[in-house]
Amino acid sequence: DTGVSQNPRHKITKRGQNVTFRCDPISEHNRLYWYRQTLGQGPEFLTYFQNEAQLEKSRLLSDRFSAERPKGSFSTLEIQRTEQGDSAMYLCATETGGSNQPQHFGDGTRLSIL
Amino acid sequence: AQKITQTQPGMFVQEKEAVTLDCTYDTSDPSYGLFWYKQPSSGEMIFLIYQGSYDQQNATEGRYSLNFQKARKSANLVISASQLGDSAMYFCAMREVGAGNNRKLIWGLGTSLAVNP
Repeated sequence: DTGVSQNPRHKITKRGQNVTFRCDPISEHNRLYWYRQTLGQGPEFLTYFQNEAQLEKSRLLSDRFSAERPKGSFSTLEIQRTEQGDSAMYLCATETGGSNQPQHFGDGTRLSIL
Repeated sequence: AQKITQTQPGMFVQEKEAVTLDCTYDTSDPSYGLFWYKQPSSGEMIFLIYQGSYDQQNATEGRYSLNFQKARKSANLVISASQLGDSAMYFCAMREVGAGNNRKLIWGLGTSLAVNP
């Protein structure tokens, strides 16, 4: 069990640029979640995959955001035309779906928009 | 809608003492799961303990225990024998089942714990 891996750990970019984050899940975990956490807040749900299917998206996920999980393995989260308000920690979590099993989180990608 | 409330923005505890972090929740679902996570300053979210709504006993994991009072809708985390490494943000979260069997977590605002030597 190598844990959930997220890359990059930090991303600094200018407003208006596109950014892409990657999440590699624990190998046997078929469920994958993206959350966003701003300063002083708890994480907020963005989107959910079961295998390769994206089954739910939050209203927080504007049309500038897109997420994929090809072949049900790693996932990417892309933000187009970044805005100041996109500055946050983006967290990926995965789980097996067992009734008492927790979501396991990666270290997150901290995005800063200049 | 489900909601998690953590009313303690910050807490202090002396090393080796016990501390209780409060969490209340609101849900109309009879079946739910409650989680506590620790988030150090480095940012990773670390799972600590889980309590299911039908569990008869309070959950325990090493120095962590959960004081689960279902009628009061509270799930307080107790950390015994605090260590300097326990200094971090602590989040209470509830699992909400949505579309496509989405088991997303609903989070509180967190409590910042500082352990004093």
